[in-house]
Amino acid sequence: SAVISQKPSRDICQRGTSLTIQCQVDSQVTMMFWYRQQPGQSLTLIATANQGSEATYESGFVIDKFPISRPNLTFSTLTVSNLSPEDSSIYLCSGALGGTGEQFFGPGTRLTVL
Amino acid sequence: AQSVTQLGSHVSVSEGALVLLRCNYSSSVPPYLFWYVQYPNQGLQLLLKYTTGATLVKGINGFEAEFKKSETSFHLTKPSAHMSDAAEYFCAVSEMDSSYKLIFGSGTRLLVRP
Repeated sequence: SAVISQKPSRDICQRGTSLTIQCQVDSQVTMMFWYRQQPGQSLTLIATANQGSEATYESGFVIDKFPISRPNLTFSTLTVSNLSPEDSSIYLCSGALGGTGEQFFGPGTRLTVL
Repeated sequence: AQSVTQLGSHVSVSEGALVLLRCNYSSSVPPYLFWYVQYPNQGLQLLLKYTTGATLVKGINGFEAEFKKSETSFHLTKPSAHMSDAAEYFCAVSEMDSSYKLIFGSGTRLLVRP
C-alpha cells in the first residue's frame, strides 16, 4: 500500500490568483493522478502525472489552467491558475502501484475561491 | 468505453438493518472492480476490490461485495448498519489497459438512522 499526504489541506484564495497543491507518497508508485471533486459530486480525473514529462490531460482540462509537475516517483504538484469561483472544489491526489489499478488517495485539498 | 452506474444517490437505513448499495458496470472484458468510502472532509479509502478468483469479496468494516458477471453487477452489502457507516460510497472500475485509470460511479450517500 501507499500513504499519500497533501499540502495544504485547505485554502481560501482570491479570484485571479493561483494555488499550488503538493502531493507526497511514502513509497514509489507507478502512476500518480489528480482529481477534482466538486461539491456533492463524484471524482473527475484531471490528468495523469508522468514522471519527468508532461502530464496527460483528460478532455476538458488544459495545461495552462492546471499545470502539473512530477519530478520523481514520489512527488507531484498541481497548480490551479487564474482562479475563479467555479474552481472551488476538493482536489485529490492518488497513486497506483500498478497491477490491478488500485489507487491510494490523499486526504484532499479544499479550495475556496472568493 | 467503460462506465459505472450507481443506483440511488441516497440510501437511508436504520441502525442494525441490512445495507445494500448497488453498482453496475459496462465493460467488454471482465474488469477489476473497487468500492471506496469517503467520510466527511476526508479522502477516499478502499473498502474492497475484485480482481480475479472468488467472486464474493470481503472488505474492511464488515462490508462485502459479490461480482456477478451475468448481471454486470458488484453490489456492496453489510448485514448490520452502524452509525459510523454513514458516508459517501463510490464504485469504480479499472480501465483494462496500461493507463491504470479508474472510472468512478456518481456515488451513494448512506444515511444511518438511530
